[in-house]
Amino acid sequence: EADIYQTPRYLVIGTGKKITLECSQTMGHDKMYWYQQDPGMELHLIHYSYGVNSTEKGDLSSESTVSRIRTEHFPLTLESARPSHTSQYLCASSETSGQYFGPGTRLTVT
Amino acid sequence: AQTVTQSQPEMSVQEAETVTLSCTYDTSESDYYLFWYKQPPSRQMILVIRQEAYKQQNATENRFSVNFQKAAKSFSLKISDSQLGDAAMYFCAYRRVETSGSRLTFGEGTQLTVNP
Repeated sequence: EADIYQTPRYLVIGTGKKITLECSQTMGHDKMYWYQQDPGMELHLIHYSYGVNSTEKGDLSSESTVSRIRTEHFPLTLESARPSHTSQYLCASSETSGQYFGPGTRLTVT
Repeated sequence: AQTVTQSQPEMSVQEAETVTLSCTYDTSESDYYLFWYKQPPSRQMILVIRQEAYKQQNATENRFSVNFQKAAKSFSLKISDSQLGDAAMYFCAYRRVETSGSRLTFGEGTQLTVNP
């Protein structure tokens, strides 16, 4: 079983607030990812990282930013949350054989 | 660009029966990986099974097996002896073989219901 963690699991926050979604993994994986998923819908890649100090934007445009200062940690930040950011955010890390996902953060912006 | 298509938005199966979920993909690559992920109501994505394109033998994991047809670019998942815990959204995914990255391309998902 993969060891990848996300906090918080659920977050309800008001418009305009700055938020950081945490993601950490203990498997030593170089590659990490953030996906956005609306309920019952497919996943969309919004950010990825191939290693420390490496970050790239994904296929879906996002107003969020990420950082990768340590191998095990890949936080996602929204400087000013809006209702359109309401969604499920899934973090993943990978080795050759596949990606392993965290439990997700369900974000609601009111 | 690679695309992954799951043409069955919803499927249902009786407990203990067998169900097959379909997936097709489009790629110009000759070597790649294919995956099936399961996402139960708890929302955590779980890797179910993986297949390397260069292997002709279909992957099997307990009650889960795939039918990989490379020429047809088809990658279906068969679940045998279905259990209530198999109820979930199932995603098919594709990944290129490359040294610098391993981004997944996901299908739209198939919602599987298991009836007691």
